Amino acid sequence: DQQVKQNSPSLSVQEGRISILNCDYTNSMFDYFLWYKKYPAEGPTFLISISSIKDKNEDGRFTVFLNKSAKHLSLHIVPSQPGDSAVYFCAAKEGGVTSGSRLTFGEGTQLTVNP
Amino acid sequence: EADIYQTPRYLVIGTGKKITLECSQTMGHDKMYWYQQDPGMELHLIHYSYGVNSTEKGDLSSESTVSRIRTEHFPLTLESARPSHTSQYLCASSGWTRVDYGYTFGSGTRLTVV
Repeated sequence: DQQVKQNSPSLSVQEGRISILNCDYTNSMFDYFLWYKKYPAEGPTFLISISSIKDKNEDGRFTVFLNKSAKHLSLHIVPSQPGDSAVYFCAAKEGGVTSGSRLTFGEGTQLTVNP
Repeated sequence: EADIYQTPRYLVIGTGKKITLECSQTMGHDKMYWYQQDPGMELHLIHYSYGVNSTEKGDLSSESTVSRIRTEHFPLTLESARPSHTSQYLCASSGWTRVDYGYTFGSGTRLTVV
């Protein structure tokens, strides 16, 4: 039972345009969400996060939106740059002390930004 | 600059061999994790530790074992490697503070069992 799903395995956009990566979750106990970026042959690196008490968090070109009623979050990158080409993972943390800080990850979306 | 180190980066070994994947972090994090990831698939948690002498199995069944004798070191061992163990193995660590929910990942070990 996959609790975090990224239904688009790949996305291709033109440089300068907006990239929108989507993520859906099923566990209503998730209280914190994160996006990671992964280049080939490297480990994922943290990109941006959002608490469940917010609906938007912005950091430079990156904005994450959270729709709790729809159990959906999205990552917007604008403007997209060729260096943004990577696999993007959505992750979620369950609230409460018993879960510790374990993260549940989605399958990832390969973003390709064409010059 | 990496604060969490995994060695080796790449490993090709024969079936039946015993291997240990190394993971060390210099951030003093109590929590450490091992994930397994295949291309196009999600990261699967196979082991985690919340401190010295504490280890737990993750969500994905794995034939590997781990140990946590020192805070900074969290090695993963396969007693007898099989082709089905071919995958990328990612080590991560995290702290306890509220702003530290994010993991720091190592560069990973790409394991191929032939």
